[in-house]
Amino acid sequence: EVQLVQSGGGLVQPGGSLRLSCAASGFTFSGYWMHWVRQAPGKGLVWVSRASTDGRSTNYADSVKGRFTISRDNAKNTLYLQMNSLRAEDTAVYYCAGGYPTWFDPWGQGTLVTVSS
Amino acid sequence: QSALTQPRSVSGSPGQSVTISCTGTSSDVGGYNYVSWYQQHPGKAPKLMIYDVSKRPSGVPDRFSGSKSGNTASLTISGLQAEDEADYYCCSYAGSYTLVFGGGTNLTVL
Repeated sequence: EVQLVQSGGGLVQPGGSLRLSCAASGFTFSGYWMHWVRQAPGKGLVWVSRASTDGRSTNYADSVKGRFTISRDNAKNTLYLQMNSLRAEDTAVYYCAGGYPTWFDPWGQGTLVTVSS
Repeated sequence: QSALTQPRSVSGSPGQSVTISCTGTSSDVGGYNYVSWYQQHPGKAPKLMIYDVSKRPSGVPDRFSGSKSGNTASLTISGLQAEDEADYYCCSYAGSYTLVFGGGTNLTVL
């Protein structure tokens, strides 16, 4: 069964850091581009970042550039998102997703990140 | 990276067809054939329905189809069924190695 299982969300204070993880199984993780997409409560989807199959090429939305870092460990079939200097507006459900550079499938179950004092 | 424009809501009766539009610019929708569509039921993760404007992943019913004209992409759902009631999002490559989503459309099956 194709699965992406996420972990690492939670409550963090403004200015704090958090690392999200996304463990893949049931497909060839190293053959897929990987993405992070977020959704603020009651709002729409927003693309956050992507990493190429080998992780050497990474891209970011302007809103997180310089604060977030995407990485992957193909030996562990795991994707990461290191989030630093968190702001209230980063509060959202974060989804990891596999796929190609320009589309997303499969998706993880999502993990809630709340930035609040 | 401005969001693509989608109608906030559309509706249709079972068996009917509905079309959801997704309007961007020549820098995103109009400039590339990299539009995808996602279905999201409440509390669930999104699901890929269409990629590369009009390609349908295996397992997605052929009632779902995609197209593009100029800066506007469209998702058409024919033979509406109750389970199609969900939020739908378009997404496009926006150049400079970035992607942009639409604001989402809520589909109600009457």
